[in-house]
Amino acid sequence: DIQMTQSPSTLSASVGDRVTITCRASQSIRNYLAWYQLKPGKAPKLLIHKASTLASGVPARFSGSGSGTEFTLTVSSLQPDDLATYYCQHYNAYSRTFGQGTKVEVE
Amino acid sequence: EVQLLESGGGLVQPGGSLRISCGAAGFTFSDYAMSWVRQAPGKGLEWVSVISTSGGSPYYADSVRGRFTISRDNSKDTLHLQMDGLRAEDAAVYYCARIRYGLLDAFDLWGQGTLVTVSS
Repeated sequence: DIQMTQSPSTLSASVGDRVTITCRASQSIRNYLAWYQLKPGKAPKLLIHKASTLASGVPARFSGSGSGTEFTLTVSSLQPDDLATYYCQHYNAYSRTFGQGTKVEVE
Repeated sequence: EVQLLESGGGLVQPGGSLRISCGAAGFTFSDYAMSWVRQAPGKGLEWVSVISTSGGSPYYADSVRGRFTISRDNSKDTLHLQMDGLRAEDAAVYYCARIRYGLLDAFDLWGQGTLVTVSS
């Protein structure tokens, strides 16, 4: 089974900071990677699919990159509304695997 | 409005059964493969199961295979998860999610979740 390792587990940052979260796959997953944002009491939100394609309605300050085994999610200028937990996810036709999550907190 | 709404969560004893459901609105439910994802208290997201548009080709996580059954009723725009032989470790918020295109794609729409508690 493919394992997804996400880092860091917690990230403290200030409004306006550039923030980067990394996700590594235990073997090549090509570009079958998505990023999600979770806030307490709310439905999870798709941010990025196919590793680098911005989902509909997602602000342009979010971006994704990478292919194969290493991927990143970047927030170019952190906003108060971005305080949340972020998950990467590998997907194939038969299963999905999530990373452990990264909680973004205010410094 | 395009949305998914889960229902049916609650308290069940270990070894018991529960069926949770997910109603779809605002889109053609039968056009989309669907999935269940859960989040145990204080833990991360865990994929549970996926089902194709027709209801065939269900797949399950190893942790639930043989105990959980995913199904769908396209005439009622509803997704189900039958959970049997429940264990303490199955306690979680269960989310239904829509797969963006086909089976090989991300989840582009999620419900707000339904809480399943497993305790005696």
